[in-house]
Amino acid sequence: EAQVTQNPRYLITVTGKKLTVTCSQNMNHEYMSWYRQDPGLGLRQIYYSMNVEVTDKGDVPEGYKVSRKEKRNFPLILESPSPNQTSLYFCASSFQGARETQYFGPGTRLLVL
Amino acid sequence: EDQVTQSPEALRLQEGESSSLNCSYTVSGLRGLFWYRQDPGKGPEFLFTLYSAGEEKEKERLKATLTKKESFLHITAPKPEDSATYLCAVRDPSGAGSYQLTFGKGTKLSVIP
Repeated sequence: EAQVTQNPRYLITVTGKKLTVTCSQNMNHEYMSWYRQDPGLGLRQIYYSMNVEVTDKGDVPEGYKVSRKEKRNFPLILESPSPNQTSLYFCASSFQGARETQYFGPGTRLLVL
Repeated sequence: EDQVTQSPEALRLQEGESSSLNCSYTVSGLRGLFWYRQDPGKGPEFLFTLYSAGEEKEKERLKATLTKKESFLHITAPKPEDSATYLCAVRDPSGAGSYQLTFGKGTKLSVIP
């Protein structure tokens, strides 16, 4: 089954404790992206990757890091999480092309205390 | 200034009561307008992509249309299972990597039996 998977689905952590949220897709998509969703603000892009070893900032990159060492994986790293990073996070992927549709993962709900 | 504005924010319909959701956008050189459905706590699920004014697409009780400034998602004879938040997104050619989606804040639809 074609899908985007994320782990963990739920995470409670404390300020400053480094964490990684994994994202994997089995569709051989070149493009991958991370979004966060907050009430009243909608979905906002954090980082994106056009292909292996190619990443760039989205609209709200502060406090996040990403890497793309393999085509299928695109982990999101919070090196020193803060309470304002409490949010619902989504990974998405698509083929690379102007007409390609992005498909989303199930989401990771993060609470930073 | 918001590039994508959805209205209404929330809509309650009786089962079988048809209506429309609106998505207006201000980007020029649109490279695609996307409709997604999102159930609580889940990732957005792709519904439609529209590329040019006058284009229409249908899926079951849903029909999406596009003009030069807005898109409508028409819901005909809705059922309770159509209850969800409907998200509109545009691909802005000036966005990061030209694949960035800019989302509206969504319309929360409730269909009452």
